[in-house]
Amino acid sequence: EADIYQTPRYLVIGTGKKITLECSQTMGHDKMYWYQQDPGMELHLIHYSYGVNSTEKGDLSSESTVSRIRTEHFPLTLESARPSHTSQYLCASRRQGYDGELFFGEGSRLTVL
Amino acid sequence: RKEVEQDPGPFNVPEGATVAFNCTYSNSASQSFFWYRQDCRKEPKLLMSVYSSGNEDGRFTAQLNRASQYISLLIRDSKLSDSATYLCAVIVLFSGGYNKLIFGAGTRLAVHP
Repeated sequence: EADIYQTPRYLVIGTGKKITLECSQTMGHDKMYWYQQDPGMELHLIHYSYGVNSTEKGDLSSESTVSRIRTEHFPLTLESARPSHTSQYLCASRRQGYDGELFFGEGSRLTVL
Repeated sequence: RKEVEQDPGPFNVPEGATVAFNCTYSNSASQSFFWYRQDCRKEPKLLMSVYSSGNEDGRFTAQLNRASQYISLLIRDSKLSDSATYLCAVIVLFSGGYNKLIFGAGTRLAVHP
């Protein structure tokens, strides 16, 4: 089983609120990712990190931001949530050299009213 | 045109049937290939890597056809528990030396009694 954890699993929140989705892994992986996935749709990469103090934007434009202060922790923040942010957010990590072998967290399902 | 394309399905098959899915990729510089399984409202999990010579893991067989630019997944003796969405993932190498993992939108399999 993958040792990667996301909280909260489910969040329903009003427009304009600030939210942080937490992601932690205990596998010592340097590389971590945030994906966004709507039902029946592809995974879209929104952020990634190759190590502490390294963060990059992914393919899908996102108003969220991320930080990587510790290897094991990769939180995602939305400063002002909007209904268009309603989606499932999946965190993942991988070992160096295993480019396609991602371990995913269980996801955070966000609903913005 | 999407870089990675899959028939969304659903493929409805009886228990015990053999079923096969294909996944086509558009970039001939694609270098590594994977199949993931995603249960409804769950996270994707790596099912198997796809090697150039093809590979088998129990009832699952993965094949790569570089000439026609597709990978396939064959499931023999389908079980009810095989019901899920199967995502293919492709690593594409771009000029400048960086690579990107791209997911397909998935093929849904429903196995019925």
